[in-house]
Amino acid sequence: EPEVTQTPSHQVTQMGQEVILRCVPISNHLYFYWYRQILGQKVEFLVSFYNNEISEKSEIFDDQFSVERPDGSNFTLKIRSTKLEDSAMYFCASSELEPSNTEAFFGQGTRLTVV
Amino acid sequence: RKEVEQDPGPFNVPEGATVAFNCTYSNSASQSFFWYRQDCRKEPKLLMSVYSSGNEDGRFTAQLNRASQYISLLIRDSKLSDSATYLCVVNFYAAGNKLTFGGGTRVLVKP
Repeated sequence: EPEVTQTPSHQVTQMGQEVILRCVPISNHLYFYWYRQILGQKVEFLVSFYNNEISEKSEIFDDQFSVERPDGSNFTLKIRSTKLEDSAMYFCASSELEPSNTEAFFGQGTRLTVV
Repeated sequence: RKEVEQDPGPFNVPEGATVAFNCTYSNSASQSFFWYRQDCRKEPKLLMSVYSSGNEDGRFTAQLNRASQYISLLIRDSKLSDSATYLCVVNFYAAGNKLTFGGGTRVLVKP
């Protein structure tokens, strides 16, 4: 069964450092997303990406965040200068159609720990 | 008021019993509704979509009440493997391409 894959599974970084979280969405999917979940809290939307541009972003997704689809398969989330409060599980997701009409498949997540 | 609210639980359920719980949403212009399941420290996985007329998938039944702005999930004949956090997820019409998650309802099925 096709799946969304994320690397690394766990990333530890020092405050102020840049991190890049990587995702390979399901190959025929057109919509890509990043969500995050702080430990013990709900899953929060960060950004959606369609047709090589951001289609929606939340208040959390400020100037320190950026997304890129550098080639036909990868979808990355960059955090430029990490803060302690960025520590969370980051989930990449993809869907074939827009989310009202189809299932969103989530990757297994990258646990980011900022120290 | 939160956009999507759930009773966090936990709901302690004897194996074989039935458990039901609700989720309320704040925006009447909501479009699509889902129940996702999340195991501890794992990714959310779609359990079922929720249709206006209500729908069933094996032991799971979902209902939508647009007038009162809630959805429900009922699990019959609970199995130990049903122990998980159940996430109520809404795609709000005006929000575009994103899903809004509730905080989850934790269910613990015990022998």
